[in-house]
Order: sequence, then structure tokens, then C-alpha cells
Amino acid sequence: AQTVTQSQPEMSVQEAETVTLSCTYDTSENNYYLFWYKQPPSRQMILVIRQEAYKQQNATENRFSVNFQKAAKSFSLKISDSQLGDTAMYFCAFEGPGTDKLIFGTGTRLQVFP
Amino acid sequence: DAGVTQSPTHLIKTRGQQVTLRCSPISGHKSVSWYQQVLGQGPQFIFQYYEKEERGRGNFPDRFSARQFPNYSSELNVNALLLGDSALYLCASSSQSGPRTEAFFGQGTRLTVV
Repeated sequence: AQTVTQSQPEMSVQEAETVTLSCTYDTSENNYYLFWYKQPPSRQMILVIRQEAYKQQNATENRFSVNFQKAAKSFSLKISDSQLGDTAMYFCAFEGPGTDKLIFGTGTRLQVFP
Repeated sequence: DAGVTQSPTHLIKTRGQQVTLRCSPISGHKSVSWYQQVLGQGPQFIFQYYEKEERGRGNFPDRFSARQFPNYSSELNVNALLLGDSALYLCASSSQSGPRTEAFFGQGTRLTVV
């Protein structure tokens, strides 16, 4: 069974600084997808970034980038130039091939301070 | 364009009662998934429907059931409510089945069982 682990329950960063959120996962699959979702107080899950396991190049979306280490089964999220609006819960998620089932970690609460 | 809409936004029920939660996907989206998010945890997969057929079921008791209608909207039913069913129930829709297409989440229904 696949599992996703987020070992940082809470993180804080000052505005304009860089922060990295950690995620590890366990799977026997070779092709899969990894995601970072943001959940602000409004409760709506918003996709931040997605990585396909067969792509070696790390995904990047503006200020958000990932460090995908397939052999180590590690998938960290780096947020550059942090903004107050980045304050939210961040969830790492895994989806295996041929499924529509997202497996989420327990989340990291990120607080951005002015 | 309207996003994924869920109703009601909040609900209070008594133990033993039954509840129906509703989800309207984004127009044109044929896949709907349901997740349960207990306070302090990541969402847990309950069901996925695509083209009105059940495509996946998570590890939840038979008290949980769902269906998808011809217009692709969906209902989640929970019978014989327990205190432990108190959670945020999230609905997600996507245009196709599978991880290649982005899942869009609604703002959820907060269910409290007393």
C-alpha cells in the first residue's frame, strides 16, 4: 500500500524568504504522480504543483518548485519569495497509475510572517 | 465559470441519523471523487465516479454510499451516523479519469455529529 509522510507539522517563514516543505512516500509502482496542494482557511484545496514520476526534470510553477528524488522517494516543495497569501496548510499527495485515488499526507501548516 | 459547488456548507446531525451531501462538478467534468477530512489530518478517499459508474472505493464501511446522476452531479449518503463521522467532506471533479487531469476541489461540507 502506498503511504505519504509529512514530518513537519508546522513551519514558519518571514515574508520574501524561502522555505522548503518535506514529503516522503512509499510505493512499489514505477509510474505515478505526485502533487502539492494548498488548503487556506477557506478550506478549498488548490493544486500548487504536479510531478510525473517518469519525468526527471523537477516541476516549477512561478515561485513554487519541487525537488523530486525518485530513488529516495522524496518530494519536497520550495516556496521562494514567500508572501502573506502563502499562509495555509500544505498537503503532499500521491496518485498511482490507473487510479483516481489521491493519497494525502497529514499536512504542514505554513505561517508567513511580515 | 462556476467551480465545484457543494451543499450544504455546514450541517449538524444527531447520532444514528442519515445525511446526504451534494456536489455539482465543473461544467463538462465527468469524474467526481469524495474525500473525508477529519480535523488535523489529510483527506481520505471515499469514492470515485466516472460516467455514472463507480471507479473506486476507499476503506469505508457500507454505511457510506454514493451515486452520480446523468448530469454528473453526485450525492454522498451516510447512514447511522457516528460521532467519528464528524469531518469536512470534500468533493473533487475532473474532466477525465486518471491522474493526468487536474482535480478541482469544492469548499467542502462541514458535518458535525452530536
